[in-house]
Amino acid sequence: DAMVIQNPRYQVTQFGKPVTLSCSQTLNHNVMYWYQQKSSQAPKLLFHYYDKDFNNEADTPDNFQSRRPNTSFCFLDIRSPGLGDAAMYLCATSRASGGSYNEQFFGPGTRLTVL
Amino acid sequence: AQRVTQPEKLLSVFKGAPVELKCNYSYSGSPELFWYVQYSRQRLQLLLRHISRESIKGFTADLNKGETSFHLKKPFAQEEDSAMYYCALVGNYKLSFGAGTTVTVRA
Repeated sequence: DAMVIQNPRYQVTQFGKPVTLSCSQTLNHNVMYWYQQKSSQAPKLLFHYYDKDFNNEADTPDNFQSRRPNTSFCFLDIRSPGLGDAAMYLCATSRASGGSYNEQFFGPGTRLTVL
Repeated sequence: AQRVTQPEKLLSVFKGAPVELKCNYSYSGSPELFWYVQYSRQRLQLLLRHISRESIKGFTADLNKGETSFHLKKPFAQEEDSAMYYCALVGNYKLSFGAGTTVTVRA
């Protein structure tokens, strides 16, 4: 089945130790998104890639970076995780072109714990 | 700026009773609105979008531009409808989510 895959599902890191979360998709979608979702809150968009173009949200901390080496993969790098970065991180994809928007398909998420 | 408001954080109804989840939005352009649902231990998924005007799992939602609302309704709630529901608005390829409403359907 075509889908959005996130690895690992659970990640534990230490305060200040860099961590990378992975997302891959078999949908061949051109847009990929990273969201942060804290307990009982709505997903908050961190950034997205439209093809190779990176779009950062204005309030996304510099501590968060992203890479998209090809259509299928996208990575979220947290350079120096703080306790406040503990959250569920959701990857999503969509097909967008010419101003039209299609639904976003979400991965299962990676739950990050910072010790 | 785009903004989505879901005033109810929690909603509890009995099985077979009607359920309505409120959603209001603000957006300067022509809005595209969605309802996403997250069942327990499952990924977030699209429930319905206003453009398609469909009824999915018995749910419907009508866009009211005058009231800037996109309320989600179901005439007879079922236990399997218990979930978190997010209203969302798209602008410039980005989704803005409301805070979400947790629905509990009791037997």
